[in-house]
Amino acid sequence: QVQVVESGGGVVQPGRSLRLSCAASGFPFTTYPMHWVRQAPGKGLEWVAIISYDGSNKYYADSVKGRFSISRDNSKNTLYLQMNSLRAEDTAIYYCARGVVVVAAAPGWFDPWGQGTLVTVSS
Amino acid sequence: QSVLTQPPSVSGAPGQRVTISCTGSSSNIGAGYDVQWYQQLPGTAPKVLIYGNNNRPSGVPDRFSGSKSGASASLAITGLQADDEAVYYCQSYDSSLRYVFGIGTKVTVL
Repeated sequence: QVQVVESGGGVVQPGRSLRLSCAASGFPFTTYPMHWVRQAPGKGLEWVAIISYDGSNKYYADSVKGRFSISRDNSKNTLYLQMNSLRAEDTAIYYCARGVVVVAAAPGWFDPWGQGTLVTVSS
Repeated sequence: QSVLTQPPSVSGAPGQRVTISCTGSSSNIGAGYDVQWYQQLPGTAPKVLIYGNNNRPSGVPDRFSGSKSGASASLAITGLQADDEAVYYCQSYDSSLRYVFGIGTKVTVL
């Protein structure tokens, strides 16, 4: 079945780095854009980043621009999020989600979502 | 503060109809961008409930329906059931901020 599975979360000190991974299966990974969305404890959803199907285009939320980097390895059906200069406010569950687009150039939506991986930034 | 405004909570008795509003602006919903709705059951990841304003993915009961008018959208749940207790998020696209979500609305079944 179509699924995405995140990994790589953990506890990290402020200012340090962490890389998240998302393994995709059950669909042609190379033809879909992919997203990262996060949810701080007890809070709502915040979109983090998107990468195009071929990795040529990447966009970020202002809150992470310059610190986070999204990438993908289409040969491994895997999405990544490199997080540098981490701050306490980056503490959240990070979800990987496939981008679904049915009309060319339309933004689309998120489906499916992974189960998420928890990142805690604390000294 | 979210770009899309939702009520923090709504409630209803089993069998009743509840609606959740999602108000945006001329840079997102009002600009013609589609609205999606996601359901997040306790302790789980969000799941798409409505896409493209009023379309249900296969497997989503027809008790759930979406609509959009101008810069606002709504999610209606009819025949409310106990397992509808969840947080519901609206989502759209903003010409400046890109993908945006509402704060989420907690639905309580009385």
